[in-house]
Amino acid sequence: AQKITQTQPGMFVQEKEAVTLDCTYDTSDQSYGLFWYKQPSSGEMIFLIYQGSYDEQNATEGRYSLNFQKARKSANLVISASQLGDSAMYFCAMSAQGAQKLVFGQGTRLTINP
Amino acid sequence: NAGVTQTPKFQVLKTGQSMTLQCAQDMNHEYMSWYRQDPGMGLRLIHYSVGAGITDQGEVPNGYNVSRSTTEDFPLRLLSAAPSQTSVYFCASSRLAGVGTQYFGPGTRLTVL
Repeated sequence: AQKITQTQPGMFVQEKEAVTLDCTYDTSDQSYGLFWYKQPSSGEMIFLIYQGSYDEQNATEGRYSLNFQKARKSANLVISASQLGDSAMYFCAMSAQGAQKLVFGQGTRLTINP
Repeated sequence: NAGVTQTPKFQVLKTGQSMTLQCAQDMNHEYMSWYRQDPGMGLRLIHYSVGAGITDQGEVPNGYNVSRSTTEDFPLRLLSAAPSQTSVYFCASSRLAGVGTQYFGPGTRLTVL
């Protein structure tokens, strides 16, 4: 079974600073995917970034990057140059080959202060 | 493309009533799923489908029913609503199951009194 742990219930960061949101995972599968989603106060789930377990390079999407450390089973999200609009809940999730579902962590509420 | 659409956006039911939450996608995705999100928690899988005519249970299926007669539509039925089903419901779709990226609809906020 897969499990996602996000240990930071809330984080407060000054605008323009970089921020790292922690995510650790547990799985016995060799092939899996790791995802980050953003949920603003409006409620929708916005896909941010994806990392495959066999990808050797860390995934990047604009200001988002995923710091993937396979041996430590961690998949931290790094947001560079944070903006006020980054204030939201952030969920880490994983799926595994043959597993027909995403498993989500409990989320981290990020607040960007001006 | 509209992506994944859900209706209604808000719904209030009385205990024991039934209703159907609608979900449609126009991306020709084979895989569709329903999740519920309770306050302060991540999403939990209710039911999923890997293609038309094929459905299966997720983590929390009790009290819900699904069918998939077309690739585009995946409705979720509440058979007899209970207060424990008060939640936000998300529909998602992806081209591939397993490691495929899932894209979510805007959600339906359901309150059962």
